[in-house]
Amino acid sequence: GESVGLHLPTLSVQEGDNSIINCAYSNSASDYFIWYKQESGKGPQFIIDIRSNMDKRQGQRVTVLLNKTVKHLSLQIAATQPGDSAVYFCAENMMNSGGGADGLTFGKGTHLIIQP
Amino acid sequence: DTGVSQNPRHKITKRGQNVTFRCDPISEHNRLYWYRQTLGQGPEFLTYFQNEAQLEKSRLLSDRFSAERPKGSFSTLEIQRTEQGDSAMYLCASRGTGEKLFFGSGTQLSVL
Repeated sequence: GESVGLHLPTLSVQEGDNSIINCAYSNSASDYFIWYKQESGKGPQFIIDIRSNMDKRQGQRVTVLLNKTVKHLSLQIAATQPGDSAVYFCAENMMNSGGGADGLTFGKGTHLIIQP
Repeated sequence: DTGVSQNPRHKITKRGQNVTFRCDPISEHNRLYWYRQTLGQGPEFLTYFQNEAQLEKSRLLSDRFSAERPKGSFSTLEIQRTEQGDSAMYLCASRGTGEKLFFGSGTQLSVL
């Protein structure tokens, strides 16, 4: 079946540098995308989301970019800090007829390692 | 703590035993979700409830898995006759009227 995947299992960056985590999705009907951060022993923590009618959305130190032409999603983290070390997952869903998102499909995750 | 609460945090059981996990969602969140996560993988959707109604259960892994949310508040996930392959993190999430899913810290199941 169609699913969301990530390009790299591990990404290592220097503290203070910007990092970019990529994700490719294959379901062209997906219209809602989310990035989650998961630290060891904890559940996924919401970072930022974007709907398919947008191509960019910014949060605090994070930016999500959506390229529907090539079905690509990316998460940019500015000025990475030690606390950013975690596994990052992208997830996708189709908005249901009620306007909500259900049954998210997650990719495998990218482990972001921040080097001092 | 007003987040999603899951109990127990860890469960060790012998193969063939039944286990039950509990999830208390964020207060007033009417949607509740169960996911399973194995090492190195992303969470895998299992089932979800809107209030007390289980609206999707076709993705439960087998008929040994069942979930309930009798009063539309807390939910339980039961696995009968556990197998070693059931060892995983079981995550619960809830959502209100918005689109964000809020996850609990999960229950780590180890089947010996």
